Amino acid sequence: DVKVTQSSRYLVKRTGEKVFLECVQDMDHENMFWYRQDPGLGLRLIYFSYDVKMKEKGDIPEGYSVSREKKERFSLILESASTNQTSMYLCASRGTPGNTIYFGEGSWLTVV
Amino acid sequence: RKEVEQDPGPFNVPEGATVAFNCTYSNSASQSFFWYRQDCRKEPKLLMSVYSSGNEDGRFTAQLNRASQYISLLIRDSKLSDSATYLCVVNYNFNKFYFGSGTKLNVKP
Repeated sequence: DVKVTQSSRYLVKRTGEKVFLECVQDMDHENMFWYRQDPGLGLRLIYFSYDVKMKEKGDIPEGYSVSREKKERFSLILESASTNQTSMYLCASRGTPGNTIYFGEGSWLTVV
Repeated sequence: RKEVEQDPGPFNVPEGATVAFNCTYSNSASQSFFWYRQDCRKEPKLLMSVYSSGNEDGRFTAQLNRASQYISLLIRDSKLSDSATYLCVVNYNFNKFYFGSGTKLNVKP
């Protein structure tokens, strides 16, 4: 089975703090994604990466950056956390085109 | 206009009932279609892919209507364990996935 692991499940951070969310997948997938999910808004794509060191902005990249130094690891960075970034963050990965995407368990971030 | 639209529900049905959800999508170039299930405060998990000819997996049947740009999910003989939110997912342009906001199903004893 595909395993996508998000190491931080529940975080509480202060406004202005830098936040790192880590994601690791074990299936040698080329494509990895970061989404956030908010009630009534569904899942919205923040960034995705189709290869090491390659990234593309999604629909809501403002306030976020990403890093992919190794194929299995994709990190989401909030440079200066704000309260409107309180959300559930989901990492996902996918192999070849046409295949489904698999999600990590999610990281619940609260910014106070 | 949203890329993918779903009725948020909730659909409240008794055990054993048959229930159907629809989902409409706006981009006619969409290539792949999926239904995901999401339990409360959990990650979405793939329920089934949706193929052009329609497909069935046990009590679940998915259908695609490209002309009208909608997909459907039919659940027969509902179980209490089917209670969840069902997300419609549409893929086009390689890494572009669009998610509906989900339809909540409550199956009652």
